[in-house]
Amino acid sequence: LAKTTQPISMDSYEGQEVNITCSHNNIATNDYITWYQQFPSQGPRFIIQGYKTKVTNEVASLFIPADRKSSTLSLPRVSLSDTAVYYCLVGAGQTGANNLFFGTGTRLTVIP
Amino acid sequence: SAVISQKPSRDICQRGTSLTIQCQVDSQVTMMFWYRQQPGQSLTLIATANQGSEATYESGFVIDKFPISRPNLTFSTLTVSNMSPEDSSIYLCSVALTNTGELFFGEGSRLTVL
Repeated sequence: LAKTTQPISMDSYEGQEVNITCSHNNIATNDYITWYQQFPSQGPRFIIQGYKTKVTNEVASLFIPADRKSSTLSLPRVSLSDTAVYYCLVGAGQTGANNLFFGTGTRLTVIP
Repeated sequence: SAVISQKPSRDICQRGTSLTIQCQVDSQVTMMFWYRQQPGQSLTLIATANQGSEATYESGFVIDKFPISRPNLTFSTLTVSNMSPEDSSIYLCSVALTNTGELFFGEGSRLTVL
């Protein structure tokens, strides 16, 4: 299983763009990269998933370089409600079988 | 998507007792997963529960301590047996959409063992 490494915590002011990078040097050819968000007292919630290059949805963008050994979750213009823990997972996401293992996560604190 | 309901949402239990947590999904799913999240920590996968077969446990978790049932495609239970204070955690049920691998989680069951 590809191990992931993320910063333990980050602080950002409201309105700024936040980029959280995840390292996954041992990513396998068929592995997908998935990011989840977790608020206190709730289960994690899916944010975005990608395989290569760039993926964008209504809440975030995911940038994956050609070597796929890292990925960056980009949150545009964060607000206080984006304060949460963000987890990067790597595995065979398309099968639902192996994208199950959470790393330490990054605790993002948005400051007014 | 999938909507997951867990019961109880929280409980306080005495050392040495057992507690069963229920997980109900609003659609039929092949795979269900149980996680533990200790205070301030990340999620740790306990086991994968497939309907009609024994659950598959991850390293460090055993069936005698965490027996799991999966009687049909929308329901599962996790029992925490012979509890000790170290079992105080949030226990989360999850399902995966097989076409995307996206995981959906219940709200969790917060267990405190005295």
